Amino acid sequence: DTGVSQDPRHKITKRGQNVTFRCDPISEHNRLYWYRQTLGQGPEFLTYFQNEAQLEKSRLLSDRFSAERPKGSFSTLEIQRTEQGDSAMYLCASTENYGYTFGSGTRLTVV
Amino acid sequence: GQNIDQPTEMTATEGAIVQINCTYQTSGFNGLFWYQQHAGEAPTFLSYNVLDGLEEKGRFSSFLSRSKGYSYLLLKELQMKDSASYLCAAYFGGAGSYQLTFGKGTKLSVIP
Repeated sequence: DTGVSQDPRHKITKRGQNVTFRCDPISEHNRLYWYRQTLGQGPEFLTYFQNEAQLEKSRLLSDRFSAERPKGSFSTLEIQRTEQGDSAMYLCASTENYGYTFGSGTRLTVV
Repeated sequence: GQNIDQPTEMTATEGAIVQINCTYQTSGFNGLFWYQQHAGEAPTFLSYNVLDGLEEKGRFSSFLSRSKGYSYLLLKELQMKDSASYLCAAYFGGAGSYQLTFGKGTKLSVIP
């Protein structure tokens, strides 16, 4: 197992476009998290899955954001009608018990 | 909210010892992590404390006082490669979600 993989590493998109990111967690980890990190800040929680069930969503997650984890394996995070304020690093993490293993992140730039 | 406070920046000399402090609200606290994050990279796990006391791992040690809502990360024999941001993060609330709340990070610069 090569750890948590995220794709793409970088994404530049025009304001108003939709984007989708993918995360492949460590295979035996049943918990998967999405976080967002802006420059000079710590990661902020967006949402959490246990297996295929989305159990928690942050108030930061507006209606333009949606996440899925079909079959409890990989997860996708979609942002619709992107805004410049969505520019950030989107981090995925997985865990079995405690302590996250993070992916390398997807850096989104909205122009 | 569940505030986690840590200094924004610190500078230390190669070979020296540096202590990075972190304070947090004790209500609902369940455990504390330290992560290292190099610029443009993902955070990597350094330590986990759930009980009071000092956990030592090579050049890095982490301390926790649950009653005081206080933790520190101690880095010994500093190396240039230790220049990075150090994130303090805590579990709050029920044990089910394992959602971590992160501080803003302390940017450590190691100088020759």
